[in-house]
Amino acid sequence: QSALTQPASVSGSPGQSITISCTGTTSDVGSYNLVSWYQQHPGKAPKVMIYEVNKRPSGVSNRFSGSKSGNTASLTISGLQTEDEAEYFCCSYAGSSTMPYVFGTGTKVTVL
Amino acid sequence: QLQLQESGPGLAKPSETLSLTCTVSGGSISSGSFYWGWIRQSPGNGLEWIGSIYKSGKTYYNPSLKSRVTISVDTSKNQFSLNLSSVTAADTAVYYCARREDGYVHFDDWGQGTLVTVSS
Repeated sequence: QSALTQPASVSGSPGQSITISCTGTTSDVGSYNLVSWYQQHPGKAPKVMIYEVNKRPSGVSNRFSGSKSGNTASLTISGLQTEDEAEYFCCSYAGSSTMPYVFGTGTKVTVL
Repeated sequence: QLQLQESGPGLAKPSETLSLTCTVSGGSISSGSFYWGWIRQSPGNGLEWIGSIYKSGKTYYNPSLKSRVTISVDTSKNQFSLNLSSVTAADTAVYYCARREDGYVHFDDWGQGTLVTVSS
């Protein structure tokens, strides 16, 4: 199972909106509404920001939103803030018969 | 607040067994319906799910690692562990422990990760 494809880096100025894509296949992203997004600051534990494509855990800012179209899921960060600078990666369920999870390649978000 | 903390040797020799422990604090492994798992991240392979265990001891492993992986749980110590045998340089990675709630497929709590280098 191949990793989900994400852009290596995305940047934006404070207050702007950015979108990170996560492209998979019909075996994972395209088949299940079970994509999650994680934020990871250097040396810190990953934190779930979005689950099941567009649901936000309690405590996560509503500036973070998720969507999906076909085999591509997206994470949008609106009103970009300096603390949003981090690595972001996606993860999709891929069925229970073989490998249930496939992760994205990761995207470094830089706030200019 | 739930916290997960990985511990174990940072160096393993080729062909030997890598052993890590995840200590859970702020909550009991035995309570609720959660799966406790291991995920690793390496420059070459990115993020990779290794396997998970339920409080009952039922395990689920990555098919590509299944022959070398053992995950166990010690509810008395509120810990779960990973053993990966016959390691090679390709197993060099940051190893994370994480929790997933039954009925969901995302990981809602993670440890900070621990780097394990395989080298002679």
